[in-house]
Amino acid sequence: GAGVSQTPSNKVTEKGKYVELRCDPISGHTALYWYRQSLGQGPEFLIYFQGTGAADDSGLPNDRFFAVRPEGSVSTLKIQRTERGDSAVYLCASSLASGSSYEQYFGPGTRLTVT
Amino acid sequence: GQNIDQPTEMTATEGAIVQINCTYQTSGFNGLFWYQQHAGEAPTFLSYNVLDGLEEKGRFSSFLSRSKGYSYLLLKELQMKDSASYLCAVRGSGGKLIFGQGTELSVKP
Repeated sequence: GAGVSQTPSNKVTEKGKYVELRCDPISGHTALYWYRQSLGQGPEFLIYFQGTGAADDSGLPNDRFFAVRPEGSVSTLKIQRTERGDSAVYLCASSLASGSSYEQYFGPGTRLTVT
Repeated sequence: GQNIDQPTEMTATEGAIVQINCTYQTSGFNGLFWYQQHAGEAPTFLSYNVLDGLEEKGRFSSFLSRSKGYSYLLLKELQMKDSASYLCAVRGSGGKLIFGQGTELSVKP
């Protein structure tokens, strides 16, 4: 079956612009996670959803970052007033549920470059 | 605080065995995962440990000691395609994964 998909695969934007990154999880997966990964580093947690609600947004770096999942499936990560430090690969993952033994399946990521 | 340590780089020879260590100090613990990530690709699941001991899956094995905050990933019969980054991650409260920086493994012929 289809895995986690993310669009766009690459996004180049100018400093100060607004961007939206989309994630389509595996069908039937109720938990959805956003991470970002800088070069040479492991992924860093941003936010996760159980269903439509954000269950933990403690990883969002500041109020320029926001994410939604209005129907409990597709999620959008929104970044306002982008800064060069936001440049990274943004990874989305989904799992059947948020319980401890459930494996997270990762999408290919969106590479964001802020110039 | 949250701290996960693993070596930055390792090199091994094709056909050999390599052990990648991971130590962790986290405020919550709900299991430890190992993921493999090839350059430019998504991380893919390798193993999950929540109880102490060794989990074996083909050429890959993973060990956990909760009292020592320690895990290792053992890769046997190394192949060139095993060259990748190996990520250790602890599952904290609520399901989020806390990753180490990754260990870049280079397999030489």
